[in-house]
Amino acid sequence: DTEVTQTPKHLVMGMTNKKSLKCEQHMGHRAMYWYKQKAKKPPELMFVYSYEKLSINESVPSRFSPECPNSSLLNLHLHALQPEDSALYLCASSQGVLAGTYNEQFFGPGTRLTVL
Amino acid sequence: KQEVTQIPAALSVPEGENLVLNCSFTDSAIYNLQWFRQDPGKGLTSLLLIQSSQREQTSGRLNASLDKSSGRSTLYIAASQPGDSATYLCAVNRGSTLGRLYFGRGTQLTVWP
Repeated sequence: DTEVTQTPKHLVMGMTNKKSLKCEQHMGHRAMYWYKQKAKKPPELMFVYSYEKLSINESVPSRFSPECPNSSLLNLHLHALQPEDSALYLCASSQGVLAGTYNEQFFGPGTRLTVL
Repeated sequence: KQEVTQIPAALSVPEGENLVLNCSFTDSAIYNLQWFRQDPGKGLTSLLLIQSSQREQTSGRLNASLDKSSGRSTLYIAASQPGDSATYLCAVNRGSTLGRLYFGRGTQLTVWP
């Protein structure tokens, strides 16, 4: 099973709302990622978790707050977003991240976020 | 910094043609290279991963090659079908940077019947 699931599929929120995106994998992977993708652009890395610890934060604004409660679950908490944050948010996972680890990344279907 | 370029940006062909999509990268010190397919508004589907020690990988009608020394990879699609229409992205992993993939901007492929 190489499936990464994401909920919700679509989310519309106002700039004062608080919402969360959820990502889950049951492949025993120990690395999980959040990406942001705007139309006609490649995915941009936001965060990397390795063994449930945050290992990369690509200078993402604090209105995005990641959380990794356990090795199978990754959340992205959203608060006070701006309209320019509207995008497709993708989650991915891999066996690991370290050099020497077979780290093919598997992506979920994404959450389409619209900020009004 | 690793830069990844994909040529062409868009390609439109009739069904049945054999295709070559190109990917080039500036830093040959890569750990692996991954080819993805993305349908409009959807997530990325991993097609093939080539480790830096490998020269090629095959899956069905797809064949990907890697020439690290020249910083190039090609994705060959045999006997294209309308269902192959999608954007194809290549991404390189340098290994030394925790899990970071460097993506190209993709080739948008349209195969018409």
